[in-house]
Amino acid sequence: GAVVSQHPSWVICKSGTSVKIECRSLDFQATTMFWYRQFPKQSLMLMATSNEGSKATYEQGVEKDKFLINHASLTLSTLTVTSAHPEDSSFYICSARPGLNGYTFGSGTRLTVV
Amino acid sequence: SQKIEQNSEALNIQEGKTATLTCNYTNYSPAYLQWYRQDPGRGPVFLLLIRENEKEKRKERLKVTFDTTLKQSLFHITASQPADSATYLCALDEGQAGTALIFGKGTTLSVSS
Repeated sequence: GAVVSQHPSWVICKSGTSVKIECRSLDFQATTMFWYRQFPKQSLMLMATSNEGSKATYEQGVEKDKFLINHASLTLSTLTVTSAHPEDSSFYICSARPGLNGYTFGSGTRLTVV
Repeated sequence: SQKIEQNSEALNIQEGKTATLTCNYTNYSPAYLQWYRQDPGRGPVFLLLIRENEKEKRKERLKVTFDTTLKQSLFHITASQPADSATYLCALDEGQAGTALIFGKGTTLSVSS
């Protein structure tokens, strides 16, 4: 089946530094990828929609200068959390839709900012 | 305002029983409704999709119903097993290309042996 590979699985970084998260579609082309954030015991909240070759669309309240999204190819989308702060600590998940059925999700990245 | 509600945050049942999870929504008109399983520290895994013109869908021990009049979906796991313990998420799909899923908060199911 279709797979989205997400790396890293977890990362700890110092406050003020930047962290890049990668999502690759392994056996299909993803024109669009979606980035979610999930806090403990909360729903997945859509942060942004990433489109290959064009600018990402951000949800209301999500700072585009803080969460930089690049979707340079049909198989790779990256999310960079810039100048990370402890409140950015969360579980970040990407997804794409390989066909007409369900969406495929990455395994998630646990970000801890200390 | 738009809302998706999964009625229970947690559901505890005994092995062998049927688990029934509920998803209600307001002010949405989804073309599809999807159910996912999420294990701790992992991304969601697709289980079933049901279209707005379908009443019921089955896959092995799973059954989903969709009532667009009541704006409700029910998700059943029959003959439940401890391995079914996880969080189950319902998600609305408006059916337009390039649009994201909208998720409920999830119901955490615990099946005891």
